[in-house]
Amino acid sequence: DIQLTQSPSFLSASVGDRVTITCRASQGISSYLAWYQQKPGKAPKLLIYAASTLQSGVPSRFSGSGSGTEFTLTISSLQPEDFATYYCQQLNSYPFTFGPGTKVDIK
Amino acid sequence: QVQLQESGPGLVKPSQTLSLTCTVSGGSISSGGYYWSWIRQHPGKDLEWIGNIYSSGSTHYNPSLKSRVSISVDTSKNQFSLKLSSVTAADTALYYCARDRPPSDYWGQGILVTVSS
Repeated sequence: DIQLTQSPSFLSASVGDRVTITCRASQGISSYLAWYQQKPGKAPKLLIYAASTLQSGVPSRFSGSGSGTEFTLTISSLQPEDFATYYCQQLNSYPFTFGPGTKVDIK
Repeated sequence: QVQLQESGPGLVKPSQTLSLTCTVSGGSISSGGYYWSWIRQHPGKDLEWIGNIYSSGSTHYNPSLKSRVSISVDTSKNQFSLKLSSVTAADTALYYCARDRPPSDYWGQGILVTVSS
């Protein structure tokens, strides 16, 4: 199985901050990576797929980059509704696996 | 707008089989083009991909569960189902169904299944 790690596991930030989350894969996965946002009591919401393609309806302050083994999710200006946990998922090979998550909290 | 809704028992006894159904509305499973997945999340913890199925019935399973899991589809009812046998307390989790392009672009709200006697 392909293992994903995320860093940091927790970050505290303020509204308006630029936030970057990193996801690393244990082997190359080309651009087969997605990012999700999950709020308490809710199902995950797809933000980005194919490493850098914004899902329809997702604000443009979210962006993704990377390929191979290292990927980043960037929120250019953190908004109050962005405080949540973010997960990456590799879709290169079965079984699809998720990263452990990064919780973004209010400073 | 595609919607998915999980249903099934919220409590299952150890060693029994967990059975869940996902009903899809706003789109037809039989139209093809998508996989249909089950994902679970242990309380306060990581997401775990369980497996998926195509409208043809082709399946992929997580090897960690493969000997116990079965996913099936009923296109006439626009539903797909999960069966997980020989459950233990470690199978207590929030179970989600989802539509996969992949990735999972539509999710159900989730159903909490507790394994306890």
